[in-house]
Amino acid sequence: DTEVTQTPKHLVMGMTNKKSLKCEQHMGHRAMYWYKQKAKKPPELMFVYSYEKLSINESVPSRFSPECPNSSLLNLHLHALQPEDSALYLCASSHPGTPDPFFGPGTRLTVL
Amino acid sequence: LAKTTQPISMDSYEGQEVNITCSHNNIATNDYITWYQQFPSQGPRFIIQGYKTKVTNEVASLFIPADRKSSTLSLPRVSLSDTAVYYCLVGDRGYQKVTFGIGTKLQVIP
Repeated sequence: DTEVTQTPKHLVMGMTNKKSLKCEQHMGHRAMYWYKQKAKKPPELMFVYSYEKLSINESVPSRFSPECPNSSLLNLHLHALQPEDSALYLCASSHPGTPDPFFGPGTRLTVL
Repeated sequence: LAKTTQPISMDSYEGQEVNITCSHNNIATNDYITWYQQFPSQGPRFIIQGYKTKVTNEVASLFIPADRKSSTLSLPRVSLSDTAVYYCLVGDRGYQKVTFGIGTKLQVIP
């Protein structure tokens, strides 16, 4: 199994909602990433987990809360988002120590 | 972290070879150079990675001069389906802060 899956593909939420994005991989990778990508911009790193521990947090607002319940799963919990948080959210995974993460297809998030 | 600089956009006709150069003047000894391709509303896709000299795979070649301050991604005989954004990344194999530069938007013209 050589893919990263992300659910849902699309998500529309209001500013008072709580939702979660899910990411799964079965490649045995022990590093997992969340990126945010706005239209016509490069992906921006948000969080990195290494061996299920948060290793990098790029000063992301607390309304984004990552969770890595096990080595195959990565969640991003969303609460009280703003319309400017609307973007494509990308999950990626890699072997720790290799600078070439494998990306999922992304979740298109719209905040109303 | 080594910063990368690429042309913002390039146009090429179908069937031609395309070379995209990336500058990374402050590349560190342990850094590798990785290129990704991204289509609209999809995740980036790994193309090729190298450390020095030349690397070739079934999709592309990567040329890295001896000083490693730049690298060139070469796409042979491009087709319309190669229209995408191409990102050059520089990163240490022991470091996971994998960050993207601005990327090069390649438009292939019939």
